[in-house]
Amino acid sequence: EDQVTQSPEALRLQEGESSSLNCSYTVSGLRGLFWYRQDPGKGPEFLFTLYSAGEEKEKERLKATLTKKESFLHITAPKPEDSATYLCAVQVGSSNTGKLIFGQGTTLQVKP
Amino acid sequence: NAGVTQTPKFRVLKTGQSMTLLCAQDMNHEYMYWYRQDPGMGLRLIHYSVGEGTTAKGEVPDGYNVSRLKKQNFLLGLESAAPSQTSVYFCASRDWYIGSEYEQYFGPGTRLTVT
Repeated sequence: EDQVTQSPEALRLQEGESSSLNCSYTVSGLRGLFWYRQDPGKGPEFLFTLYSAGEEKEKERLKATLTKKESFLHITAPKPEDSATYLCAVQVGSSNTGKLIFGQGTTLQVKP
Repeated sequence: NAGVTQTPKFRVLKTGQSMTLLCAQDMNHEYMYWYRQDPGMGLRLIHYSVGEGTTAKGEVPDGYNVSRLKKQNFLLGLESAAPSQTSVYFCASRDWYIGSEYEQYFGPGTRLTVT
């Protein structure tokens, strides 16, 4: 069964304290791995798509990497405005339906 | 562009009542999706559509129906609401091009409480 697990569930950091969020997956036929950011009371906002092992993408203080079994979202010198829930999702299957399987998310709190 | 919009934003229903949630997108996307989000469960796919006039079941379709009569709209119906359907509902849409995997764009959500 296709499965996505994120860890930790919650993470508290001091401003400037770098860390990483983990997304491990067990799927048959990965077509893409997506990272989203979700602020309280809002819909998920797209951050990155990764397609193959070894791929990396960066946006401001965020860097996403992908291996054959997991993805990491590295946060360098975070600021309070980086506080949010980060969601990982994988697109699987042979048909082009675009269906995603989401992990439970990691809630990040950055304190000033 | 407004992107993906959802109506209503909040709703309280009594058990057994029915309602329809409306999702609209102005990006001319082919694919549309309905998810529910519950604490500790992540986002789970209810139904989806790969084009006007088509619908398909997702991971948790029981108790819901959908229709996609126009390309820009995707409706989610609850015929007889149950307390287990208390959740936050998100609609999403996605572009399509053969061989490409595009990201989904999400609406702001509808918070539904069934008492």
